[in-house]
Amino acid sequence: EIVLTQSPGTLSLSPGERATLSCRASQSVSNSYLAWYQQKPGQAPRLLIYGASSRATGIPDRFGGSGSGTDFTLTISRLEPEDFVVYYCQQYGSSPYSFGQGTKLEIK
Amino acid sequence: QVQLQESGPGLVKPSETLSLTCTVSGYSISSDYCWGWIRQPPGKGLEWIVSICHSGNTFYNPSRKSRVTISVDTSKNQFSLRLSSLTAADTAMYYCARLSGVSGSRWFESWGQGTLVTVSS
Repeated sequence: EIVLTQSPGTLSLSPGERATLSCRASQSVSNSYLAWYQQKPGQAPRLLIYGASSRATGIPDRFGGSGSGTDFTLTISRLEPEDFVVYYCQQYGSSPYSFGQGTKLEIK
Repeated sequence: QVQLQESGPGLVKPSETLSLTCTVSGYSISSDYCWGWIRQPPGKGLEWIVSICHSGNTFYNPSRKSRVTISVDTSKNQFSLRLSSLTAADTAMYYCARLSGVSGSRWFESWGQGTLVTVSS
């Protein structure tokens, strides 16, 4: 099973700043089959990115994904107040699908 | 636009079997895609449990396979999860989702709002 480790656990930034979230896999994720999700309190996760870098329908272009192999990054170019929530990465290149433990983005 | 809605008991007893149903609207589950279940213990991360595709192919998380059954009722446009031999560790928010992608490599494209299941006597 591929273990995903997200860092940092908590990221403190201010609105308007740039956020860089990391997701590292214990082994290579085939075909860059990695997705990112955003979860607001009391809500289900929402798909942001799939295939490491493709934005899901309706996702603002301030969200961007990159990476391959074992290292992946979610970048939020200009933080809006509603972006300060929890983010998860997920690999779907091999079974079982697995998620990272999450990064919480908090207002500094 | 597809919508998913979970339903089931909020409280179940240890050793019993949990049955959850996901009702899909806005799309026929027999047409395409895969459909699955994910859970999230309170304050913790996400765990994929099982998926079933329109083709009938089923994919299990090996750590749960011995206790999990997934089924589809196309007449009602629903799919269901059964999880047996419950313990307190199965207490979680359970989400159903539609999966996109190819073959056995899929991401969770659309999610239901989730249903909280507590395992307690």
